[in-house]
Parts: sequence; C-alpha cells; structure tokens
Amino acid sequence: DVKVTQSSRYLVKRTGEKVFLECVQDMDHENMFWYRQDPGLGLRLIYFSYDVKMKEKGDIPEGYSVSREKKERFSLILESASTNQTSMYLCASNPATGVVETQYFGPGTRLLVL
Amino acid sequence: LAKTTQPISMDSYEGQEVNITCSHNNIATNDYITWYQQFPSQGPRFIIQGYKTKVTNEVASLFIPADRKSSTLSLPRVSLSDTAVYYCLVGEGTYKYIFGTGTRLKVLA
Repeated sequence: DVKVTQSSRYLVKRTGEKVFLECVQDMDHENMFWYRQDPGLGLRLIYFSYDVKMKEKGDIPEGYSVSREKKERFSLILESASTNQTSMYLCASNPATGVVETQYFGPGTRLLVL
Repeated sequence: LAKTTQPISMDSYEGQEVNITCSHNNIATNDYITWYQQFPSQGPRFIIQGYKTKVTNEVASLFIPADRKSSTLSLPRVSLSDTAVYYCLVGEGTYKYIFGTGTRLKVLA
C-alpha cells in the first residue's frame, strides 16, 4: 500500500512565524502536491512538484513556498504565517506513468495560526 | 478545466443504494471522471474512475452516459461507515483535477 505521511497532525503557530510542513511518500512517486482545505471551498492546490528540485504553482501559491530536495520528500513553507493561513493542509503523491493516475493523500495537518 | 456540480448533501438509510450525480457540461475529450471519498480528519481516498459507459469495482459503480456531461456514483447497500464527503473530479490526470466542495453523505440507522 502507498503510504503518505505528514510530519504533524496538529500544529499551533503564531503570526509571523516560519512554518515547515513536511510530507514523505514511500512509493517512489514522481509527482507530489500540497493542498489546503477550507470549509465551503473544497481542496485548493497550492503547489505541485513533478521531479526533484522542480515545482509548479497551483491555484493559490501566494504566501507559500515549497522545497523538494529528495524524491520522497516535499516540504511546504509558510515564510511568515498569517491567521488566514489557518487551514487543513493535505499532501498527495502519484506516479508519472500512464495516462491518468489517482492521487494518494496523507492524513493532513491541521494548522492554527494565532 | 471542466467544472463539476454536485449536490451539497444527501441523507440515506442503512442498506439503501445511494446514487450521487455529478454534472460536468464542459468535459473535454481527454478528461476522465474520478470520485474520491473523504472521512473527517483524513485525506481523500480514491474510489473509482471511468471514461465512458459503466465501471464497477468492489466498492462502487460509476455510470457515464454517452454524452459524458454527467456521471453517477452508485454505492450499493450503504452502511453507517459510508458517511463521508464524496468528490467528483474531471480532468486529464496528475495535477489537472479540481476538487469542488463535494457531496456530504449522511447514512442514518
């Protein structure tokens, strides 16, 4: 079974802090994704990466950056956390092979910015 | 990118068959239709995917009419544990999916 793990289930930070959210997948997938999920808005794509050191902006990249130094690890960085970044953050991965591939999600990190 | 429309919520009783319909009027030729299930405090989980006609797996069936402008997820004999949010997505795969707000299914005893 594919396993996607996220470093924390719950996180509380203060406004202005630098926040790191880590995601690790164990299936050698090329593609990795970061989403945020908010009530009434569904899941929105922040960034994705299709290879080591490669990244592409999603729909809402403002206020976020990402890092992918190793194939299995994709980090989401909030350079200066703000209260409007309080949300559920979900990481996902999938292989690059085939025409259409499903995504495998981690359990999520619920971030509260005070 | 195709946009999907699905009911916000549905209620059902245990043992009943549940059908959730999704509209995707602007689906493109290469787009697949994929459904995910999400339980509270968990990430979405893939249920089923199809391109046309009917697809069935051990969990659900997916019915797609010839014009592909809609699709119906069918859950046979639901149980309380099927209470979740169900997302319909269309796209070419990888990152080209848009998750909407989904359908909140509540199964009652």
